[in-house]
Amino acid sequence: AQSVTQPDIHITVSEGASLELRCNYSYGATPYLFWYVQSPGQGLQLLLKYFSGDTLVQGIKGFEAEFKRSQSSFNLRKPSVHWSDAAEYFCAVASRSGGGADGLTFGKGTHLIIQP
Amino acid sequence: DAEITQSPRHKITETGRQVTLACHQTWNHNNMFWYRQDLGHGLRLIHYSYGVHDTNKGEVSDGYSVSRSNTEDLPLTLESAASSQTSVYFCASTSSGGHYNEQFFGPGTRLTVL
Repeated sequence: AQSVTQPDIHITVSEGASLELRCNYSYGATPYLFWYVQSPGQGLQLLLKYFSGDTLVQGIKGFEAEFKRSQSSFNLRKPSVHWSDAAEYFCAVASRSGGGADGLTFGKGTHLIIQP
Repeated sequence: DAEITQSPRHKITETGRQVTLACHQTWNHNNMFWYRQDLGHGLRLIHYSYGVHDTNKGEVSDGYSVSRSNTEDLPLTLESAASSQTSVYFCASTSSGGHYNEQFFGPGTRLTVL
């Protein structure tokens, strides 16, 4: 069965500093990979996705993520965080064989706190 | 604009009662999903549907059922609510065809079982 690990439950970053959120997955082949953000009391918004090709993918709000097959990782980065980035971040995978139609498997999330 | 809505947004019920959470999408998507979100667990898949009259069990389906009588709606029923089902529930949908299509999520329903 596929699984997603987000090792950091909470991360605190100063405003303007760089950010990296870690994600590791376990899957028989390369799955589809995603990062979602959830602001307090809100639904989920897709930040970016990886299907194939260039291993560095750009997303919305200045985020990027790098797929590393050898490490089974898909880490999310941002060069300079803003107070509005404080939120819960979820890494997720979908199986290629199902085309995503059989649902997403999510990590447990990383809670990002921004210090002024 | 097309959207996905959930109702109610908040619900308090008692143990043993039957509860139905509604999900309605106007994207005309074939695939629909129900997830529950719990602190420390992220989101977990409850049930999903590929189309009318099709339903499938997800990772945490015990105690839940769904039915799909049309394209737009996938109601989630808790036959006999338990305190362990206190959670935030998200509905999602995606179109079929192509190698992958983005899932769009509803705003969530917060359910409390007393």
